[in-house]
Amino acid sequence: DTGVSQDPRHKITKRGQNVTFRCDPISEHNRLYWYRQTLGQGPEFLTYFQNEAQLEKSRLLSDRFSAERPKGSFSTLEIQRTEQGDSAMYLCASSVSTELGFFGPGTRLTVL
Amino acid sequence: QKEVEQDPGPLSVPEGAIVSLNCTYSNSAFQYFMWYRQYSRKGPELLMYTYSSGNKEDGRFTAQVDKSSKYISLFIRDSQPSDSATYLCAMIPSGGYNKLIFGAGTRLAVHP
Repeated sequence: DTGVSQDPRHKITKRGQNVTFRCDPISEHNRLYWYRQTLGQGPEFLTYFQNEAQLEKSRLLSDRFSAERPKGSFSTLEIQRTEQGDSAMYLCASSVSTELGFFGPGTRLTVL
Repeated sequence: QKEVEQDPGPLSVPEGAIVSLNCTYSNSAFQYFMWYRQYSRKGPELLMYTYSSGNKEDGRFTAQVDKSSKYISLFIRDSQPSDSATYLCAMIPSGGYNKLIFGAGTRLAVHP
């Protein structure tokens, strides 16, 4: 499979727990983006990596959220002390500099 | 006010109908205009994109951009039940690194 992959596809957690999501971009894609999509809304930008450098973070990304992309390959998004308002689909996309992004299938987070 | 406005629908049409989907925007810096299709519980899939004003056709799909009116459209001819999905418009401002600004999405149902 040569597309963007995300793991897990669905995560159910209790309020206050920490969760971590993983994104594996398309091989050799140097750009990686995280978006969040709530029910009935379009995706909203969270953060952007070029190789291993995190170049932009949205104000939506509170201090409970952290993202990394070690070695410029896969990326992780961690949410600490989850709240019910964090329930959403978390989407990852990757691209090379001259292309538009390809999206992964998303991780659906449910916070009880 | 959101930068990109899109009627969420739902829009229900009979098979074979011509479908018109629309978005308006407020940021005159937007240069790239995209349409994504999203099936339930899946990531968005790029359908078409245009740069600046004009029309672009791809099979049954036609995208139009009118920058003077800050208005974009997607037309689907001979609609099929398999076209039933949420259609998201998205835009990228000039410069930067392809960060997408999405509309809320329009749910389309094509019934046989």
